Amino acid sequence: ETGVTQSPTHLIKTRGQQVTLRCSSQSGHNTVSWYQQALGQGPQFIFQYYREEENGRGNFPPRFSGLQFPNYSSELNVNALELDDSALYLCASSTVGGHEQFFGPGTRLTVL
Amino acid sequence: AQRVTQPEKLLSVFKGAPVELKCNYSYSGSPELFWYVQYSRQRLQLLLRHISRESIKGFTADLNKGETSFHLKKPFAQEEDSAMYYCALSRGGADGLTFGKGTHLIIQP
Repeated sequence: ETGVTQSPTHLIKTRGQQVTLRCSSQSGHNTVSWYQQALGQGPQFIFQYYREEENGRGNFPPRFSGLQFPNYSSELNVNALELDDSALYLCASSTVGGHEQFFGPGTRLTVL
Repeated sequence: AQRVTQPEKLLSVFKGAPVELKCNYSYSGSPELFWYVQYSRQRLQLLLRHISRESIKGFTADLNKGETSFHLKKPFAQEEDSAMYYCALSRGGADGLTFGKGTHLIIQP
């Protein structure tokens, strides 16, 4: 069984740029959620994808957007990067209605 | 809006001592509560959830709806319990998890 994988591990961007983060869900999982974890904070829910559509969203502006592909992998896109976007971005997969979310190792984004 | 509060940023206890990590929540409905753990250099993983009422690695947690708490307990701490612990709440559906800020548990030898 393959766990959740994320790429890249780290990246550095400058303010105003755009970034795409990628996630492959665990085998058998059809739902993907994205979280932002700032330093010293718990993860914050960004949004969730199921059947290639966003079906839940946290308190994040529209410049945070995503995609889910037929193989259930997902992308998180952030436009017009701000310094406060510097954080660890976590992807989690689950089965629909499943109670447990399985997390990836995260992508560390630094915005300068 | 729902909220999860973990009042202790850091908790240090000696090996063999009892451990209690506090978690309080605010939500008007019937939430599902979870404890997630992150060991050093490992990813976040589920430790236990209130609906299963099971004990994992000697840890238990009871949902107290009157006090809106879901404290995590273990009678005898072990060094391998040292980790970051997050309490989380789910409203169900597609709303994702709401996490507390976490408690760093250090078990001293």
